[in-house]
Amino acid sequence: DAGVIQSPRHEVTEMGQEVTLRCKPISGHNSLFWYRQTMMRGLELLIYFNNNVPIDDSGMPEDRFSAKMPNASFSTLKIQPSEPRDSAVYLCASSLARTDSPLHFGNGTRLTVT
Amino acid sequence: SQQGEEDPQALSIQEGENATMNCSYKTSINNLQWYRQNSGRGLVHLILIRSNEREKHSGRLRVTLDTSKKSSSLLITASRAADTASYFCAFPTSYDKVIFGPGTSLSVIP
Repeated sequence: DAGVIQSPRHEVTEMGQEVTLRCKPISGHNSLFWYRQTMMRGLELLIYFNNNVPIDDSGMPEDRFSAKMPNASFSTLKIQPSEPRDSAVYLCASSLARTDSPLHFGNGTRLTVT
Repeated sequence: SQQGEEDPQALSIQEGENATMNCSYKTSINNLQWYRQNSGRGLVHLILIRSNEREKHSGRLRVTLDTSKKSSSLLITASRAADTASYFCAFPTSYDKVIFGPGTSLSVIP
């Protein structure tokens, strides 16, 4: 299995631009998580899906952030418009929908907004 | 942080020594998990301990859980330079929402 695949690995954009991050979960996994990682705030859960349905988006910082999961094999996290404070590593993880199922992470997208 | 704390924030030891990291949490849990993150990579699951377990071993890893104190510890024995990484505790809360502690950065000096 190829594991969780995230793209792009690095993204550099200017303030005000739209940014779209992509994630392909492990086949057969029915939960998907988006995290943001920074030195100051650590790992923050932004949103998670169960069977393609958003269950909890309380961690999404503001309306500039949106996430979709149109099918079981693909999810996107969009930031529009982007701001310098959005600079972070964005991590996607998938798992089976059981509390004892470990999360499998992608290698993340490092976003820099100038 | 979101309901979890870890200490120390950073730990530097010599190769061959043991490393101990601690995690405290605030909610009731069904299980607690430990993950490792190498620089520039995603997190990798190490071990899971259920709420009815007190201790668990996996290779050079030993995890303890004290639900009365809402705390857990991860011990890495006979550390190696390759153990240099950040270590995070994590636990599912309501509806399988998984929350991570702030992490401990471990440096193992050859």
